[in-house]
Amino acid sequence: SQTIHQWPATLVQPVGSPLSLECTVEGTSNPNLYWYRQAAGRGLQLLFYSVGIGQISSEVPQNLSASRPQDRQFILSSKKLLLSDSGFYLCAWTLDRGEQYFGPGTRLTVT
Amino acid sequence: QKEVEQDPGPLSVPEGAIVSLNCTYSNSAFQYFMWYRQYSRKGPELLMYTYSSGNKEDGRFTAQVDKSSKYISLFIRDSQPSDSATYLCALPQGGKLIFGQGTELSVKP
Repeated sequence: SQTIHQWPATLVQPVGSPLSLECTVEGTSNPNLYWYRQAAGRGLQLLFYSVGIGQISSEVPQNLSASRPQDRQFILSSKKLLLSDSGFYLCAWTLDRGEQYFGPGTRLTVT
Repeated sequence: QKEVEQDPGPLSVPEGAIVSLNCTYSNSAFQYFMWYRQYSRKGPELLMYTYSSGNKEDGRFTAQVDKSSKYISLFIRDSQPSDSATYLCALPQGGKLIFGQGTELSVKP
C-alpha cells in the first residue's frame, strides 16, 4: 500500500530564516505530487505541483519554491520566511489525476 | 464567481441527527466529485468519490450529485461525535483539485 510522509510535523521559525519541508511517498512510482497551504480557518491553496522529476508548476507567485529531486520526493523551500508564510502545509499525491491522498501536514509558525 | 462554493458553517448538530453538507459549482465540465474529511490538525482524507449523477452510499454516508443543478451533497445519517470535522468538496480539473472552502461540523453528544 502507499504511504506519504511529511516532516517535520511542526516548525517554529523566525522571520528571514530559510525553510525546507520534505515530502516522500512510498509504494508507488511516478506519482503527481502537490504542495498546498491551509491558513487557519481557510480552504486549501495549491502552491506547486509536479508531474515528474524536475518538473514543477507554480500556482501562486510568492516567497516559496519547490523541487523534485527524486521520483517520490518533493521539497518546499524558502530563502527568507515572511510572517505571512505561517500555515499548515500539506503534501499530496495522485496517480490517475483524480483523487489525491494527503500527508499528515507540517504546521509552520513564523515569528 | 468561484468555481466551487461551500458554506463554511460552522454547523452544530446533536448526536443522531442527519447532516446535509452542500456545494455548488459553476463549470458544467466537471465530471467527478469527491468529499474529503479533515480532522483538526490532520491532513484531509478521501471520504467519497463519485462520477455520475444520483446517489452513492457508503455506510452512514451518502453522496448525491445533481449535474443539472450543479449541486452536490453529502449526507451523514445517525451522526456521531467522531464525525466532528471539516468536510471539503473537491472537483478534479486538469490534474488538479478545485476545493470548496470546507464546512466545519460539530456533533454534540
